Amino acid sequence: QKEVEQDPGPLSVPEGAIVSLNCTYSNSAFQYFMWYRQYSRKGPELLMYTYSSGNKEDGRFTAQVDKSSKYISLFIRDSQPSDSATYLCAMGASGTYKYIFGTGTRLKVLA
Amino acid sequence: EADIYQTPRYLVIGTGKKITLECSQTMGHDKMYWYQQDPGMELHLIHYSYGVNSTEKGDLSSESTVSRIRTEHFPLTLESARPSHTSQYLCASSEGAGIEQYFGPGTRLTVT
Repeated sequence: QKEVEQDPGPLSVPEGAIVSLNCTYSNSAFQYFMWYRQYSRKGPELLMYTYSSGNKEDGRFTAQVDKSSKYISLFIRDSQPSDSATYLCAMGASGTYKYIFGTGTRLKVLA
Repeated sequence: EADIYQTPRYLVIGTGKKITLECSQTMGHDKMYWYQQDPGMELHLIHYSYGVNSTEKGDLSSESTVSRIRTEHFPLTLESARPSHTSQYLCASSEGAGIEQYFGPGTRLTVT
C-alpha cells in the first residue's frame, strides 16, 4: 500500500464550479501537509500548507486536514480556466526534510 | 520568483552514454533535491543534500550519483544511460524545515 493515495483524475469541471481534491495517507506521523500546483512543462509550485489538523484559507483556496481519518482536501471556489493544472499533495513528519508526494490530480476547468 | 535552473530541458541520448543533468539555484538554499517523475506516478525522491559535501540517497533506488561541492550547484550524473532511465527529472531547493520546495522546470530524458 502506498503511503499517500491520490485520485489521478482527470477531473473536468465548468468555470465557476467548486472543486474538491483529496488525498489519503497511512502514516500517522505526518504533521506537514502541502498542496502543489504543476502546470504543463513546469515544475510544481507550492500553493499552501497546513501543520497538523484544521483548515487554512487563502483566497479561493481552502486546505483541510482530518488527521483522525488520515484525509486531506483542497477546495477551489469559483474555479477559473487558469486553475487547469495538476495538483499534488505532499506530506511529511516533523524533523524530516523528505516529503512524500501523491500522484497528482489533473484538473481541467472549462470556459 | 524562484531562481532554480535546470539544463538541458530535453535530452535524447543513446544507451551506454554518460550524462550529467545540471541544477543551479541562486537563492542560497541549503537543501537540494532530485526527483523522478513519470506520467501518472508520484514524484520519487532519488537524492537529497542538506548542505555542501552532504548527499543522501532517497527512497527510490537510482543508479545515478550526485555531488554538492558548492551551495548553488547540485548536478546528477548517470555513468551509463539505459532505456529504463527515461523519465522527467526535477530538481528542487528549500531552506529551514523544507516545507516550501522550489522546483526547476525539469529535464525530460529519453534514452534510446
